[in-house]
Amino acid sequence: EVQMVESGGGLVQPGGSLRLSCAASGFTFSTYAMSWVRQAPGKGLEWVSGISGNGVTTYYADTVKGRFTISRDNSNNTLYLQMSGLRAEDTALYYCAKSAVTRHLSRFDYWGQGTLVTVSS
Amino acid sequence: DIQMTQSPSSLPASVGDRVTIPCRASQDISNYLAWYQQKPGTGPKLLIYAASTLQSGVPSRFSGSGSGTDFTLTISSLQPEDVATYFCQQYNTAPSTFGPGTKVDIK
Repeated sequence: EVQMVESGGGLVQPGGSLRLSCAASGFTFSTYAMSWVRQAPGKGLEWVSGISGNGVTTYYADTVKGRFTISRDNSNNTLYLQMSGLRAEDTALYYCAKSAVTRHLSRFDYWGQGTLVTVSS
Repeated sequence: DIQMTQSPSSLPASVGDRVTIPCRASQDISNYLAWYQQKPGTGPKLLIYAASTLQSGVPSRFSGSGSGTDFTLTISSLQPEDVATYFCQQYNTAPSTFGPGTKVDIK
């Protein structure tokens, strides 16, 4: 059974940093691209960042480019999102999402339950 | 970026009704469209991909159609457990983008 469990969310001040983790199981993690998708309270879904299966290629939304860094540890089946320079508009539930195919531009066939990031003073 | 629009934002219907949920892309995305169902407190669940292909394990009352810029998700006979918000996603052109969602509830 495919499972993805996010952690690391919390309350952080504007300008602060946070690292999110996503522990994956039930599939060959290194085969698939992975992404982070966020959902602001009461709002729709926004793709944030993606990474290739081997971790070599990364992709970012313009809204987070230069502030967020995606990475993965294929030996431990874990996806990360290092967030810095956080802003109030980054407040959202952050989901880890698995690409259904090897490339990052894809439908997402499995999602985690999300971890909440709140940016506020 | 490609803009995805969904209207209406809310769609009340009765159990057993045929429900159609539209989605429009701001430019041609071929059939690179997926539909997701999201219930409160849970992550989205993939229902349909490639505009009309049913994801494994999804009930056959769900179907998708369309290509180019106009797409539709249809629930042939609404069930109480289908109360949820439905999002469309284009994955033809980076960055992938989502519609704002249509919330389906029971009248």
